[in-house]
Amino acid sequence: GENVEQHPSTLSVQEGDSAVIKCTYSDSASNYFPWYKQELGKGPQLIIDIRSNVGEKKDQRIAVTLNKTAKHFSLHITETQPEDSAVYFCAARQTGRRALTFGSGTRLQVQP
Amino acid sequence: DAGVIQSPRHEVTEMGQEVTLRCKPISGHDYLFWYRQTMMRGLELLIYFNNNVPIDDSGMPEDRFSAKMPNASFSTLKIQPSEPRDSAVYFCASRPTAGSDEQFFGPGTRLTVL
Repeated sequence: GENVEQHPSTLSVQEGDSAVIKCTYSDSASNYFPWYKQELGKGPQLIIDIRSNVGEKKDQRIAVTLNKTAKHFSLHITETQPEDSAVYFCAARQTGRRALTFGSGTRLQVQP
Repeated sequence: DAGVIQSPRHEVTEMGQEVTLRCKPISGHDYLFWYRQTMMRGLELLIYFNNNVPIDDSGMPEDRFSAKMPNASFSTLKIQPSEPRDSAVYFCASRPTAGSDEQFFGPGTRLTVL
């Protein structure tokens, strides 16, 4: 099955700085890579996703990059704001399946 | 739409008791997923359904856990008998068959087994 590793487990940045979270996956057949944000006391919510036929995707301050050869993908948040503080999860989905395999999560703290 | 609805939001029970968690997916979504979240193991998929049929239950930890989806608008996750190591937050999520890969998560049920 798929295995997803995520780093770092915690990340603290100053407001306005950039934050980068990295994930690696094990199954080269995986073709869909979403990122979820979980705020305290809530369920995870999709913030951005990327498919294996694309190398980069951007949505305002958030971007995701994918390196299929190295089997890793990253989340980039620019101009961080206090409301970006949350736990972020990467995930991967194998071709032909509907289930996601999640990384262990990164707790991001944006200091005002 | 109100989103995915889960009940109860919090459950405290004693070891050996039966626990039933409930989920109402978003109307029109054909897939329903049950996840468990703990500090040690992160977010784990327990089971998922498509059109009310269980597709993959390989994540169900043991026979004490069972899940049903009697109709398109309701699912239950039952633990019998419960044990302290079952303490976790249990999430239900749903997604449509076509148009979007996004899974929509409910607010979760925090289960504490004493």
